[in-house]
Amino acid sequence: ETGVTQTPRHLVMGMTNKKSLKCEQHLGHNAMYWYKQSAKKPLELMFVYNFKEQTENNSVPSRFSPECPNSSHLFLHLHTLQPEDSALYLCASRRELGKGGQYFGPGTRLTVT
Amino acid sequence: KQEVTQIPAALSVPEGENLVLNCSFTDSAIYNLQWFRQDPGKGLTSLLLIQSSQREQTSGRLNASLDKSSGRSTLYIAASQPGDSATYLCAVLSSRGGANSKLTFGKGITLSVRP
Repeated sequence: ETGVTQTPRHLVMGMTNKKSLKCEQHLGHNAMYWYKQSAKKPLELMFVYNFKEQTENNSVPSRFSPECPNSSHLFLHLHTLQPEDSALYLCASRRELGKGGQYFGPGTRLTVT
Repeated sequence: KQEVTQIPAALSVPEGENLVLNCSFTDSAIYNLQWFRQDPGKGLTSLLLIQSSQREQTSGRLNASLDKSSGRSTLYIAASQPGDSATYLCAVLSSRGGANSKLTFGKGITLSVRP
């Protein structure tokens, strides 16, 4: 257990569906991150939040919409996804933006059919 | 732009061997370096975190060293076991960019320990 939880762990959705991924951290951290990991590719940073404010959007398509209601929770809202969006989506947190270690959740395995 | 390299991409060893996984980075201006383990289809587990002022960290059979000036880190695994089979990723947190600094990951080394 890393102190970062993600739900659901697996998700299969059609291209017209709307779904949300949830991340929660119990570490008292202030910075939270979404990453995408596709097969045979390195981790891709998607979004960064610091004290609930988005500080980075790494040119992510608008069909991915993040939400950070407080420092402990992070969501990724999904709509009209494409099959190439199938991947492992990882959430991470850090005590303070730019410092300390980064801790990852177990990920959500997303399959878009 | 920081680049992190891990070579080789894959490694297969017999059980019981002591092994060294290498990581190199191009910009020595870092806050810290972190080694992670990832099992297939799972998230990343942090193994060791070395601050820029430190030379090494140890946890059980794992020892990580950092030579910031030469841009290198090694992860030493003593008496390897089949349960050590996983992908090991190295990531550095650059100190350029201040609060906007991000982790830069290597592509990982996939380790297989044969019984």
